Amino acid sequence: QSVLTQPPSVSGAPGQRVTISCTGSSSNIGAGYDVHWYQQLPGTAPKLLIYGNSNRPSGVPDRFSSSKSGTSASLAITGLQAEDEADYYCQSYDSSLSAWLFGGGTKLTVL
Amino acid sequence: EVQLLESGGGLVQPGGSRRLSCAASGFTFSTYAMSWVRQAPGKGLEWVSGFSGSGTGTYYADSVKGRFTISRDNSKNTLYLQMNSLRAEDTAVYYCVKVSVTTSWYFDLWGRGTLITVSS
Repeated sequence: QSVLTQPPSVSGAPGQRVTISCTGSSSNIGAGYDVHWYQQLPGTAPKLLIYGNSNRPSGVPDRFSSSKSGTSASLAITGLQAEDEADYYCQSYDSSLSAWLFGGGTKLTVL
Repeated sequence: EVQLLESGGGLVQPGGSRRLSCAASGFTFSTYAMSWVRQAPGKGLEWVSGFSGSGTGTYYADSVKGRFTISRDNSKNTLYLQMNSLRAEDTAVYYCVKVSVTTSWYFDLWGRGTLITVSS
């Protein structure tokens, strides 16, 4: 079981809005370490989607947004498109483990 | 073009060793921390090891501590991962990643990965 907990799967119809949660603890997200998000399309390497809790790298559509509060963070995707179907991972640092951690990943299915 | 290219993957017997390499191009390699992240077949991402940009620090996940060694050659723009005492659970695609920093490291450039299979 991952230290950063994500739902295994979420789904939504094209055009809808979905959210993916990432729940941590006082030694990682709650300690003030930033949360970052990655998208992994089928059969490809992961790609940075959001960094520093809420910043999008160049080229990432503004349909993707994220926020952090307390010991949790969430990724929101609006105007869902078929090409958004992928695995999504949150990532942060844990001071108790002295390690950079990923959530277990969430598979997004576009219905 | 900014890219990372891993090599060195393959089939290794349990208890064996392998060295992975990662050739970087398109950015000033020596000024960035670098890391390795792996993904077992059908599983999620796992951070494995990191090398600070300053060159003063190396870091390891508990699962590989004492068995894996990360190193870099800035003159060759290359990152390495020496893997010893390999186990079946080390079977994974190993990604080389470039590190950037906010209040924690994040991984802003990924290679395509190289597959290590540990099996007899």
